[in-house]
Amino acid sequence: EVQLVESGGGLVQPGGSLRLSCTASGFSFRRDGMNWVRQAPGKGLEWVSHISSSNATMYYAESVKGRFTISRDNAKNSLYLQMISLRAEDTAIYYCARGRIAGRDAFDIWGQGTMVTVSS
Amino acid sequence: EIVLTQSPGTLSLSPGERATLSCRASQSVSSNYLAWYQQKPGQAPRLLIYGASSRATGIPDRFSGSGSGTEFTLTISRLEPEDFAVYYCQQYGSSPFTFGPGTKVDIK
Repeated sequence: EVQLVESGGGLVQPGGSLRLSCTASGFSFRRDGMNWVRQAPGKGLEWVSHISSSNATMYYAESVKGRFTISRDNAKNSLYLQMISLRAEDTAIYYCARGRIAGRDAFDIWGQGTMVTVSS
Repeated sequence: EIVLTQSPGTLSLSPGERATLSCRASQSVSSNYLAWYQQKPGQAPRLLIYGASSRATGIPDRFSGSGSGTEFTLTISRLEPEDFAVYYCQQYGSSPFTFGPGTKVDIK
């Protein structure tokens, strides 16, 4: 079964850090680019970051640049998002999604998301 | 950054009716790399249409996409009860891969 499962969300204070994980199964993870997309409570979707299959290319939304770092471990079929200097406006459900080639492929596989709440 | 605008914000229709959703881009979308996603409450988004007009795997043929350049349309030919949801367009041709604000299709 093709699946993405996110974990690592939780409650964190403003200025704090958190690391999200996404574990893939049922497809050839090492060949595919991956993304993080977030959704604030009651709001729309916001693309956050992309990483290529080989770790060679990363892209970030301006809203997270310099604070978030995307990475992956193909041996573990895992995608990560390291988040530092968290702000209240980072509160959202964070989804990982497959987008095989940046600039060419839509996001065809999505996880169920993990909730991040930034609050004191 | 390409800004996407969707209209209307809410579409109130009855089952069996036709739904027409619009997505307008602030500049031309590279190679018409425009996707449509459906999201139901408490669920992750689901890819419906990619490349402006190609249906994703398993998507019923009542869903169709059209358009090019800066103007795109998602049409649901006859609404089924399970189609009432929020629909987002997204351009994935150039980073940042922006989404529109969404159109909610609800039951009249």
